[in-house]
Amino acid sequence: EVQLVESGGGLVQPGGSLRLSCAASGFTFSSFDMHWVRQGTGKGLEWVSGIGATGDAFYPGSVKGRFTISRESAKNSLSLQMNSLRAGDTAVYYCARGILTSDGYYYLDHWGQGTLVTVSS
Amino acid sequence: DIQMTQSPSSLSASIRDRVTITCRASQSISIYLNWYQQKPGKAPKLLIYAASSLQSGVPSRFSGSGSGTDFTLTISSLQPEDFATYYCQQSYSTSQLTFGGGTKVEIK
Repeated sequence: EVQLVESGGGLVQPGGSLRLSCAASGFTFSSFDMHWVRQGTGKGLEWVSGIGATGDAFYPGSVKGRFTISRESAKNSLSLQMNSLRAGDTAVYYCARGILTSDGYYYLDHWGQGTLVTVSS
Repeated sequence: DIQMTQSPSSLSASIRDRVTITCRASQSISIYLNWYQQKPGKAPKLLIYAASSLQSGVPSRFSGSGSGTDFTLTISSLQPEDFATYYCQQSYSTSQLTFGGGTKVEIK
């Protein structure tokens, strides 16, 4: 059974840093893309980063230069280093697995339960 | 970046109603469009990928259609467990995934 378990959330002051982790199990972690998606309270879903199986990383403009995604295949672990945090980064952060089908279609098929990050003084 | 716009943002419907949700992309995305369902306090769940392909285990009352810029998610006969928020997501640009704003389906 595929499982994704996030950890590392908490309260941090504006301008501070936080590192999130996602422990993966039940699949060959090194073979799949992984992503972080966040959701502010009462708001919609926002993609915040993705990393390919070979380590290439992608970010939207809203977090580029502040967030860094990384993976450690030996530990089946995904991380998100978040620096220069702002109140607008307050959200539940989910990790999710990316699937590329043989026909070239792409989707997020498994998600963790999320970890809450609160940026406040 | 490709912008995704959903409508309506919310709707009220009764059990056994037919419900249709619309998603529009800011540029053509072929059929690189996915739909997710999210219930309060839970992670999103994949319903449909490639615009119309049903994910394994998803009830057949859910269906998707469309291509290019306009897409729809249809629930043919709304069930109690379908009250949730639905999101579309484009995967035409896999290096910049984007979601629609969501459609909340509530009980009338």
